[in-house]
Amino acid sequence: GQQLNQSPQSMFIQEGEDVSMNCTSSSIFNTWLWYKQDPGEGPVLLIALYKAGELTSNGRLTAQFGITRKDSFLNISASIPSDVGIYFCAGDNAGGTSYGKLTFGQGTILTVHP
Amino acid sequence: DSGVTQTPKHLITATGQRVTLRCSPRSGDLSVYWYQQSLDQGLQFLIQYYNGEERAKGNILERFSAQQFPDLHSELNLSSLELGDSALYFCASSVAFRGGNNEQFFGPGTRLTVL
Repeated sequence: GQQLNQSPQSMFIQEGEDVSMNCTSSSIFNTWLWYKQDPGEGPVLLIALYKAGELTSNGRLTAQFGITRKDSFLNISASIPSDVGIYFCAGDNAGGTSYGKLTFGQGTILTVHP
Repeated sequence: DSGVTQTPKHLITATGQRVTLRCSPRSGDLSVYWYQQSLDQGLQFLIQYYNGEERAKGNILERFSAQQFPDLHSELNLSSLELGDSALYFCASSVAFRGGNNEQFFGPGTRLTVL
């Protein structure tokens, strides 16, 4: 089945540093979504991308939909302690009967040292 | 707060038992999705309903079933429970199942522990 490879698996950074993580897929998606999950909570939607090449920002977060439709990245600028959590990329398959089924990456665990 | 509610928050039961997890979608959302999150498998799609009808199935076991009611709330039924079914179960909802807007909003989850 379709797989998303998310990297890095974990990051340990100092407060104020910028962060970058990415996802790659073996096949194309027509939608990329980025979520953040705190321990014991549900994933919270951060950014949604719908067009190849699209670059979207949400505060200190910036994400891009890769031109090949097989990858996406998320950048966090000037990290703060509350950025700690697990970040997931998710893709929605293009065409067929797969609409609505999100495929998730394995997650990136972010730790921010004050 | 995403607007998606799930009950119960925690559930502890024994092997062989049956449980029902409940989800209420955001106001106006017609699609409901169920996901399972475990340490070894990550977040896995189970099943999707749109306006009362099943629309997509993932790796859902035959022991598991779901339905969406006329008021759009959904229930996930897990039967003949095994130790390996212990996981977080999330419900998500979105406006539409097909098309450009598939932003799914997740509930707080139900943590199931099978002893």
